[in-house]
Amino acid sequence: TQLLEQSPQFLSIQEGENLTVYCNSSSVFSSLQWYRQEPGEGPVLLVTVVTGGEVKKLKRLTFQFGDARKDSSLHITAAQPGDTGLYLCAGMYNNNDMRFGAGTRLTVKP
Amino acid sequence: ETGVTQSPTHLIKTRGQQVTLRCSSQSGHNTVSWYQQALGQGPQFIFQYYREEENGRGNFPPRFSGLQFPNYSSELNVNALELDDSALYLCASSTYNEQFFGPGTRLTVL
Repeated sequence: TQLLEQSPQFLSIQEGENLTVYCNSSSVFSSLQWYRQEPGEGPVLLVTVVTGGEVKKLKRLTFQFGDARKDSSLHITAAQPGDTGLYLCAGMYNNNDMRFGAGTRLTVKP
Repeated sequence: ETGVTQSPTHLIKTRGQQVTLRCSSQSGHNTVSWYQQALGQGPQFIFQYYREEENGRGNFPPRFSGLQFPNYSSELNVNALELDDSALYLCASSTYNEQFFGPGTRLTVL
């Protein structure tokens, strides 16, 4: 059972467009992380959010943690082909069990 | 500072065989977690080791076992391989709430 539901599952857009992907759960997490994974590689940590309502910006990426710490969003402004990849959210469950969503597979076409 | 490394990169086994996968953690990290990532899915938590002791386990059968050594490197052993064990196996070393992943071992069971 996925504790974290990510949407959409697939997203294909043109270079320069904006997009938002979502990560939702019925559980409260002490922290939530976003990763990007490229084919044949391990996930690479993008950001960790800890405080409800927290917003973090990383260049063209904006991450938000919901007030109740159950959901999060990732917004990308002016997407580029280099943003293509699998975006995974993950929350710490039971102290040492990190649960991942199934991911959003983003394709940015030039 | 070296990152997380895993070996081998790829592996092909047949049903019923046993396999050992290896992971060297990032310098200074004493916690190692193992994940199984099936095609098109997010990583699923197998177990975690902290200072050579198992420190949490996901929903995997006992034929999945592990070890952590004094230098914090780790092994994942899988006995009696099944076709469904075909996946990318990821190792992550961690500090506090942040995990850093290796590139993974792609296991194919025929």
